[in-house]
Amino acid sequence: DAGVIQSPRHEVTEMGQEVTLRCKPISGHNSLFWYRQTMMRGLELLIYFNNNVPIDDSGMPEDRFSAKMPNASFSTLKIQPSEPRDSAVYFCASSPAGGGEQFFGPGTRLTVL
Amino acid sequence: AQSVAQPEDQVNVAEGNPLTVKCTYSVSGNPYLFWYVQYPNRGLQFLLKYITGDNLVKGSYGFEAEFNKSQTSFHLKKPSALVSDSALYFCAVRPPLGGNNRLAFGKGNQVVVIP
Repeated sequence: DAGVIQSPRHEVTEMGQEVTLRCKPISGHNSLFWYRQTMMRGLELLIYFNNNVPIDDSGMPEDRFSAKMPNASFSTLKIQPSEPRDSAVYFCASSPAGGGEQFFGPGTRLTVL
Repeated sequence: AQSVAQPEDQVNVAEGNPLTVKCTYSVSGNPYLFWYVQYPNRGLQFLLKYITGDNLVKGSYGFEAEFNKSQTSFHLKKPSALVSDSALYFCAVRPPLGGNNRLAFGKGNQVVVIP
């Protein structure tokens, strides 16, 4: 199994630009999670999906952030417009039904100048 | 709501000595408990979990953790630390099946194993 796949691995953009992060969960997993990690705030859950449906988006910072899961094998996290304070490592994770443990992707390191 | 406390920011231990990383939790009902490790520039990697059964859980890389319900703790242990164990360690908790599917992570503990 290839594990959770995220792209791009690194993204450098300028303030005001749109950023799209992509995630392919492990096949057969029915839950998908987006996290953000910074030195100051640690690991934060942004949003999670069960069976492609958003269940809890209370961690999404503001309206500039949006996430979609059009099918069981793909999800996107979009930031529009991006700001320097959005600079962080963004992780996607997936988990199977009943298992509890989450499997993390390698992350996308986002730098907004 | 569930939560986890990892009281120490950094744990320093000499190579070959026992390693302990502390975790206490708060959750309604019987908890599902997890430990993850994060190496530099990598994603979190699952180490072990407690769901039910034996309070001593064995995981990857020689790590184990002991569930203590009366103390609401789930400390991670390794009998003999290696330099390669230097990493960031996260404890996490979730309520039993049927509850919220999200994990509550602690702030993480940096472990430094000194050669």
